[in-house]
Amino acid sequence: AQRVTQPEKLLSVFKGAPVELKCNYSYSGSPELFWYVQYSRQRLQLLLRHISRESIKGFTADLNKGETSFHLKKPFAQEEDSAMYYCALRFRGSTLGRLYFGRGTQLTVWP
Amino acid sequence: EPEVTQTPSHQVTQMGQEVILRCVPISNHLYFYWYRQILGQKVEFLVSFYNNEISEKSEIFDDQFSVERPDGSNFTLKIRSTKLEDSAMYFCASSRDRRETQYFGPGTRLLVL
Repeated sequence: AQRVTQPEKLLSVFKGAPVELKCNYSYSGSPELFWYVQYSRQRLQLLLRHISRESIKGFTADLNKGETSFHLKKPFAQEEDSAMYYCALRFRGSTLGRLYFGRGTQLTVWP
Repeated sequence: EPEVTQTPSHQVTQMGQEVILRCVPISNHLYFYWYRQILGQKVEFLVSFYNNEISEKSEIFDDQFSVERPDGSNFTLKIRSTKLEDSAMYFCASSRDRRETQYFGPGTRLLVL
């Protein structure tokens, strides 16, 4: 079953423009949602998780249970935001910890 | 800041050969994971490991795969008889608790010829 969908494989914006990376999920229970980022030649690292409700590097993401979405947003993109972004889901209350990843969106921010 | 490390960074092997991928999780972490990413596809869960036994495994993790924590620091993934379709990037991850953040290693790129 397709748990996490990231519809955009590639996304390009200019520096200073707003950016939104889309993530939709399919899960009937209460999920935990995450955004991981992978900068060029670096490892996957956690950007943010919905239960923290925090803003990291200017990015925010709100869990919308009605639309089953967890879109990542930033009002003013910077060149250093260029990276691969992965949305991931975990079953809340899971005893197992397994993450389900989307296919990823490659964000390019042009100067 | 402590990091998960993986060796080797790249491995090329012949079909049918055994490979062992090595990981050193963060030292106070108790939960360990392997994921893989075939080129152009999503990151997929393989297996999780806690208290010296497998907690969960995916349908990908068949009898050709095994994991082991041979000592207090290493966590290994063995593929007994590699197939062409095992070519992928393999990521190790660890976490202090199953609900906490998973920290990923840099990956091992495996190419099966």
